[in-house]
Amino acid sequence: AQSVTQPDIHITVSEGASLELRCNYSYGATPYLFWYVQSPGQGLQLLLKYFSGDTLVQGIKGFEAEFKRSQSSFNLRKPSVHWSDAAEYFCAVGNTGGFKTIFGAGTRLFVKA
Amino acid sequence: NAGVTQTPKFRVLKTGQSMTLLCAQDMNHEYMYWYRQDPGMGLRLIHYSVGEGTTAKGEVPDGYNVSRLKKQNFLLGLESAAPSQTSVYFCASTPRGGKSDEQQHFGDGTRLSIL
Repeated sequence: AQSVTQPDIHITVSEGASLELRCNYSYGATPYLFWYVQSPGQGLQLLLKYFSGDTLVQGIKGFEAEFKRSQSSFNLRKPSVHWSDAAEYFCAVGNTGGFKTIFGAGTRLFVKA
Repeated sequence: NAGVTQTPKFRVLKTGQSMTLLCAQDMNHEYMYWYRQDPGMGLRLIHYSVGEGTTAKGEVPDGYNVSRLKKQNFLLGLESAAPSQTSVYFCASTPRGGKSDEQQHFGDGTRLSIL
């Protein structure tokens, strides 16, 4: 069965420091992978997605993610975090055979000055 | 563009009361979804619709009903609210459906408290 694991419930980083949010998935075939961000009181916004090709994907707001098939991972990174990046981040995997998207439990990012 | 609009944004109910949450999208999307978001559990699919006049159960459908009488609207109903239904509810849509490479477009959510 499909599943998505985000091992870190919350992470705190200093402004200007680098960031890596972890995501591991379980899926039998090549997955469609997504990262969404949710700011307080708002819905989820797509940061980036991976379907095929280059395993390093660039997204909005300076984020990138790398697909590693051998590790079943799709970690999100940003070289320098801004205070406005404080939000909750969700990794998701899509089912290539249908419509369903499975979301991870989310990682809340705190940014300290 | 409005995108996906959910009403109301907040609501407090007493146990046993009923209510309907409205989701409207102006993007002519075929598929629409209702999720609930609970701490530590991410988003769980309640019901979805693959087109006007069709609905189907998701992962956690019990206690909820839905209707899609018009393509642009997807209604979520609670017939007899229970405290376990206290949650944040999100509506989402995708353009064509049937292909999971499409990103989902989300509304801003409805925060529902059941006392």
